[in-house]
Amino acid sequence: DAGITQSPRYKITETGRQVTLMCHQTWSHSYMFWYRQDLGHGLRLIYYSAAADITDKGEVPDGYVVSRSKTENFPLTLESATRSQTSVYFCASSLTSGLYNEQFFGPGTRLTVL
Amino acid sequence: AQSVSQHNHHVILSEAASLELGCNYSYGGTVNLFWYVQYPGQHLQLLLKYFSGDPLVKGIKGFEAEFIKSKFSFNLRKPSVQWSDTAEYFCAVNARYGGATNKLIFGTGTLLAVQP
Repeated sequence: DAGITQSPRYKITETGRQVTLMCHQTWSHSYMFWYRQDLGHGLRLIYYSAAADITDKGEVPDGYVVSRSKTENFPLTLESATRSQTSVYFCASSLTSGLYNEQFFGPGTRLTVL
Repeated sequence: AQSVSQHNHHVILSEAASLELGCNYSYGGTVNLFWYVQYPGQHLQLLLKYFSGDPLVKGIKGFEAEFIKSKFSFNLRKPSVQWSDTAEYFCAVNARYGGATNKLIFGTGTLLAVQP
């Protein structure tokens, strides 16, 4: 049972480059989420998706783009990376969106923008 | 806006000491509450959760948390910590967002270091 996988696990890029972080889940969960984790801020929601082809902004969406053509995949793209986007990125999924939703997290991608 | 506060940012304990990590939230409606743990270099894992019923919730690895509605608190406790409990702990509240989707709002985390 693979669960949620993220790739790459580590990425170093330069300012201005486009970077795509991949997220794949094997549970057929409807909902998927992207968070960034920064010291002093905890986890902040970037984008989420309720189903294939349905995405919406979270708290900190600027500079990011997402797509969800298939239920199992939810890639996050930094269109033109900036140093402020250096962070650890976590993908998560949940079966439902209700109050009882428990989110399951991937292993994270540590991104450094030089 | 909904928010979650974790007052202890960094806690250092010796093995066998008791642990209590504070978590307060601001949201007047129905909430579900979670504690997640992140061991060094690993992803977040669910430690315990409260949905309804008994306000004292028991989780994995001997952790428990008490929901006190009147205080908007959900503090995490463990009677005797071990070196392997060294990790970062996140409190989270499930609150409605965007009208249709509930999302988790996380606290800023508490880094626990247990000295052998």
